[in-house]
Amino acid sequence: QSALTQPASVSGSPGQSITISCTGTSSDIGGFYYVSWYQQHSGKAPKLMIFEVNKRPSGVSDRFSGSKSGTTASLIISGLQAEDEADYYCSSYTSDTTDVFGTGTKVTVL
Amino acid sequence: QVQLQESGPGLVKPSETLSLTCTVSGGPIRSYSWAWIRQPPGKGLECIGYIDYSGSTNYNPSLKSRVTILKDTSKNQFSLRLSSVTAADTAVYYCARRYNREFDFWGQGTLVTVSS
Repeated sequence: QSALTQPASVSGSPGQSITISCTGTSSDIGGFYYVSWYQQHSGKAPKLMIFEVNKRPSGVSDRFSGSKSGTTASLIISGLQAEDEADYYCSSYTSDTTDVFGTGTKVTVL
Repeated sequence: QVQLQESGPGLVKPSETLSLTCTVSGGPIRSYSWAWIRQPPGKGLECIGYIDYSGSTNYNPSLKSRVTILKDTSKNQFSLRLSSVTAADTAVYYCARRYNREFDFWGQGTLVTVSS
């Protein structure tokens, strides 16, 4: 079970939009519509931001959106704000009925 | 609002068994799946496994031989046992609710260090 691949870092200026990619295989992202995204501020527990590829939990800003194409999922943050600076992890259900996380992406607001 | 709290020793000796408990408040555990996730210092998240509403378990293949997840519905708790630990098992351990295929509520995490 290999971790999903994410870029180590992504940065943007306030107000800009950024995209974080998450690449897997046909046994995880490519095979299911169960991709979720988590935000983790330093020293804190992760927070669910997106589930089932593009659904937002109650209370999560609509600046966060998700998509999937083939074996790659994406998290888009629009109108970037200082509070968005954090680590972001994708996750996918897998064909062996477990879950796998991505390698993580550090988002920096310039 | 569902809340989770991990508890257990913060220091475990190499070759011994790591044991943690997660206490859930705000709702019964019998209706959902419950998971353990860990994060080595400075590194990413790793799923350890989960126990579903029926009591069936699913473990990360790389840890399967050493992991046991159990639940006690009378205490609204579930637990993790990881045997034969090494320094590589040093991590912050989180418990979380696995709602469908995502983790929607998390504990604050507890650091477990493996050292003699």
